[in-house]
Amino acid sequence: SQQGEEDPQALSIQEGENATMNCSYKTSINNLQWYRQNSGRGLVHLILIRSNEREKHSGRLRVTLDTSKKSSSLLITASRAADTASYFCATGAGTASKLTFGTGTRLQVTL
Amino acid sequence: GAVVSQHPSRVICKSGTSVKIECRSLDFQATTMFWYRQFPKKSLMLMATSNEGSKATYEQGVEKDKFLINHASLTLSTLTVTSAHPEDSSFYICSAPPGGSNQPQHFGDGTRLSIL
Repeated sequence: SQQGEEDPQALSIQEGENATMNCSYKTSINNLQWYRQNSGRGLVHLILIRSNEREKHSGRLRVTLDTSKKSSSLLITASRAADTASYFCATGAGTASKLTFGTGTRLQVTL
Repeated sequence: GAVVSQHPSRVICKSGTSVKIECRSLDFQATTMFWYRQFPKKSLMLMATSNEGSKATYEQGVEKDKFLINHASLTLSTLTVTSAHPEDSSFYICSAPPGGSNQPQHFGDGTRLSIL
């Protein structure tokens, strides 16, 4: 599978700062999703943005999608220590539910 | 909300043992479930798509005879790692899409498999 790339691979910020993660992918998509994973746990869905959407918000999260550049970004505003986790983008294509995950960004939020 | 339960959460066993991992959708029916493998600090790699009532669809490079998948009901898929060896040690995660195709997926909490 053509796995997407995320950058940065790791990000360390202080509480209250904003965190931005970027995702690039290679093929046409139906939607792009962002997930969060706490260490040693399963993934939790954050946001789904469809290919005909450009921006979506959910609480402190803001996701953008640029299909011409095959890229997406996840912005977490006013970060908290509890936001410390790995964040993955995942793309869905075709009629199936199969997802292709990006390489992930490890976010560390310190007090 | 939709919940996916995965069991066991941790397995430690000797080389040559076969290990079965269960993935259950607790409050919805899942005709499709997905099995992933994750190495430390790496991303999720899709191993196979589990299809209720039919054969699983395996990704390229995944050994069908090593990783047996059974999806006998609309709420249960199992992954059996047969004759496991140390190189099979990994974090295995299942998921299911409660809302159908192109919808968010719900993940189990994963199974940490350690083969001695």
